[in-house]
Amino acid sequence: NAGVTQTPKFQVLKTGQSMTLQCAQDMNHEYMSWYRQDPGMGLRLIHYSVGAGITDQGEVPNGYNVSRSTTEDFPLRLLSAAPSQTSVYFCASSQNTGELFFGEGSRLTVL
Amino acid sequence: AQSVAQPEDQVNVAEGNPLTVKCTYSVSGNPYLFWYVQYPNRGLQFLLKYITGDNLVKGSYGFEAEFNKSQTSFHLKKPSALVSDSALYFCAVRALNDYKLSFGAGTTVTVRA
Repeated sequence: NAGVTQTPKFQVLKTGQSMTLQCAQDMNHEYMSWYRQDPGMGLRLIHYSVGAGITDQGEVPNGYNVSRSTTEDFPLRLLSAAPSQTSVYFCASSQNTGELFFGEGSRLTVL
Repeated sequence: AQSVAQPEDQVNVAEGNPLTVKCTYSVSGNPYLFWYVQYPNRGLQFLLKYITGDNLVKGSYGFEAEFNKSQTSFHLKKPSALVSDSALYFCAVRALNDYKLSFGAGTTVTVRA
């Protein structure tokens, strides 16, 4: 089983550029979310979705945009990249309120 | 607002000794509690969870955790640590019927041979 798949695994951007991190899950999970991981800060929730067509903000949503047109896909868009967005990004999904299943992560560097 | 505190940035133990990673939480109502492990350059792997019932929860790789409602704690334990247990461990909490999961800052566990 593929589980949660994130692409790309690595990306380098210049300040002001935009990009999309892709996330897909094949477990038919209703809930999907994006986190960023920074040293000493754990994982912080960026955006989440409880089903197709429904999204909401987490604790650090500024500078990011999401959409959920299908159950399987939950892309994260960086509108105008800033050095503060240098981080490792994780997509995760779950069924109802069960445990989260995580992707392998996407390491983003903004110069 | 819900939150998790992991008071130790690092835990160092010798192989074969007991391992404990501490976690306290704050949440409105009854908590759902989770432990995850992260190996270098990998995603997070689920270890165990507490939803309801027995306060002692057993999980993967010989780990267990004890839920203590009065102390709002959910410490992770392993009776005999292995070098391969060296990793970054995260405690997480969500409220009943809420999807959002809040994580602690993480504890780096180093098990020396």
